[in-house]
Amino acid sequence: KQEVTQIPAALSVPEGENLVLNCSFTDSAIYNLQWFRQDPGKGLTSLLLIQSSQREQTSGRLNASLDKSSGRSTLYIAASQPGDSATYLCAPETSGSRLTFGEGTQLTVNP
Amino acid sequence: GAVVSQHPSWVICKSGTSVKIECRSLDFQATTMFWYRQFPKQSLMLMATSNEGSKATYEQGVEKDKFLINHASLTLSTLTVTSAHPEDSSFYICRLGTGESGYTFGSGTRLTVV
Repeated sequence: KQEVTQIPAALSVPEGENLVLNCSFTDSAIYNLQWFRQDPGKGLTSLLLIQSSQREQTSGRLNASLDKSSGRSTLYIAASQPGDSATYLCAPETSGSRLTFGEGTQLTVNP
Repeated sequence: GAVVSQHPSWVICKSGTSVKIECRSLDFQATTMFWYRQFPKQSLMLMATSNEGSKATYEQGVEKDKFLINHASLTLSTLTVTSAHPEDSSFYICRLGTGESGYTFGSGTRLTVV
């Protein structure tokens, strides 16, 4: 059974800082890994999807890396802004298109 | 792009009543449909998976007689919470699609049972 751990559970930083969010998973037999953003009381916004054959994926100020063999992924957020405040979820996909979510990192970026 | 419409976005119901949540794929057909729930301050947990033409497969600990899932067509999935109780208050979200084309999440339903 896939288990996903995200560290830290919460993070509060001043605006402008570069951030690192960590995700680890126990079953390395994944097809891909996705990072999502969830605002309070809202649904999910897909940020980045890394295929199992890829090492990283970039979108704007976001960069996600994947080390499948060691069961780790990292989300880098550059030059953080107050609008980045949200919960960030990591979800590797295994057979049957099954997504397993971590408990998330709750990010607060202070102006 | 692939769009999933989930309704209602929020609902309050009395204990003992049933609530139906709908997810529709507006511009694609979904052979597989997933339902997740998220309790406050917790992660999303998979409740069940349904594939076209077969009954839903429920995760361990999810009562299939309480959470009725109907994969009514390739564009519609419903989740009915029967005899709801306050402990069923949660955020429910669907994910629809196919293995070839990928999947799309609905916008979620906040259920409060009073």
